[in-house]
Amino acid sequence: QKEVEQDPGPLSVPEGAIVSLNCTYSNSAFQYFMWYRQYSRKGPELLMYTYSSGNKEDGRFTAQVDKSSKYISLFIRDSQPSDSATYLCAMSGSYIPTFGRGTSLIVHP
Amino acid sequence: GAGVSQSPRYKVAKRGQDVALRCDPISGHVSLFWYQQALGQGPEFLTYFQNEAQLDKSGLPSDRFFAERPEGSVSTLKIQRTQQEDSAVYLCASSPVGTTNTGELFFGEGSRLTVL
Repeated sequence: QKEVEQDPGPLSVPEGAIVSLNCTYSNSAFQYFMWYRQYSRKGPELLMYTYSSGNKEDGRFTAQVDKSSKYISLFIRDSQPSDSATYLCAMSGSYIPTFGRGTSLIVHP
Repeated sequence: GAGVSQSPRYKVAKRGQDVALRCDPISGHVSLFWYQQALGQGPEFLTYFQNEAQLDKSGLPSDRFFAERPEGSVSTLKIQRTQQEDSAVYLCASSPVGTTNTGELFFGEGSRLTVL
């Protein structure tokens, strides 16, 4: 079993929908949690960065961390076709982020 | 440059050939990571540098893989006697801070290696 589990999808939603993306993890030492977005044939870019448990909001994006359940989520409100990409969760206890396999999101007009 | 630059973007090698992949991080960034991303998978950690020191190479899959960052800036990932299973995208990332928590990683666009 991998340290970080993420459903690969694809997840297909209509424009304007609320999207929920999730990861589970097994390493209790993880305390930094990140979401990256990766477009096809591009490198990942950071969307959200959270320390420990709680919520963080940035525009249409909300990240949630529940350390007791070892579960993190990313919500995207009012999804747009330009949000179509692969979303990677990542987490670290010290300095080496461990990535999930990514969820492919397709937002259709 | 403004971002992390990797070259070549695409490399086709015959099985058994040696390849060298270059990463030019953001100027002044202390930390540098190499990750391997197979098709449909997430990035897998290969190795980590803080300045010129290679602090962690636990992710290198075999002794055919070697990385260096001699002056604490540009890094090279070398793969000797390439095998088909080495086919992947090799991502380089840098960060302005060092150990304990490297915070945001800034990724390059990757070098896509295909071994025939």
